[in-house]
Amino acid sequence: DQQVKQNSPSLSVQEGRISILNCDYTNSMFDYFLWYKKYPAEGPTFLISISSIKDKNEDGRFTVFLNKSAKHLSLHIVPSQPGDSAVYFCAADTGNQFYFGTGTSLTVIP
Amino acid sequence: SQTIHQWPATLVQPVGSPLSLECTVEGTSNPNLYWYRQAAGRGLQLLFYSVGIGQISSEVPQNLSASRPQDRQFILSSKKLLLSDSGFYLCARLDNRYTFGSGTRLTVV
Repeated sequence: DQQVKQNSPSLSVQEGRISILNCDYTNSMFDYFLWYKKYPAEGPTFLISISSIKDKNEDGRFTVFLNKSAKHLSLHIVPSQPGDSAVYFCAADTGNQFYFGTGTSLTVIP
Repeated sequence: SQTIHQWPATLVQPVGSPLSLECTVEGTSNPNLYWYRQAAGRGLQLLFYSVGIGQISSEVPQNLSASRPQDRQFILSSKKLLLSDSGFYLCARLDNRYTFGSGTRLTVV
């Protein structure tokens, strides 16, 4: 059973515009959420995280929003750059185990 | 440094052959270590995790196995590879978040 879902397998955005990547989860016990970025033939690298006690966390061009009532997480990238083209995984943590989504492949078109 | 060394980077193996992927980590002792697989078009699937030497937990029944002979060494093995074992294998350690190795692209032919 997929507890963390990324329903959009791919997304294309023009350079300079906003990229919005979405993630839904089912387990209300998740208390920590993360986004990872993965280039082909490389391991995922940590991008940004948010605790369940917050609803927003911002780091430069990257902002993560958390809507606990909707069990929904989103990553906003503004402005999008061609180097942002990668697969993005959201992940959720119960404190004992991480669960990853299936990933969204972002393509930023120059 | 919490560096993770993983090798080889790519591997092509025939069906029925054995497999050994090695992962070594630097940094704090007694890390929690993980093997993940990313199959084509799919997310990250947890295969094994280890909380210490000789301690292995399996998440998915399959023809793969894992061992942890030393504190900072985690090995993924198979006696006979299947075509379905093809994928991208990632070693990871968990502190307050995951740190991943660079991965091994395995193609079983």
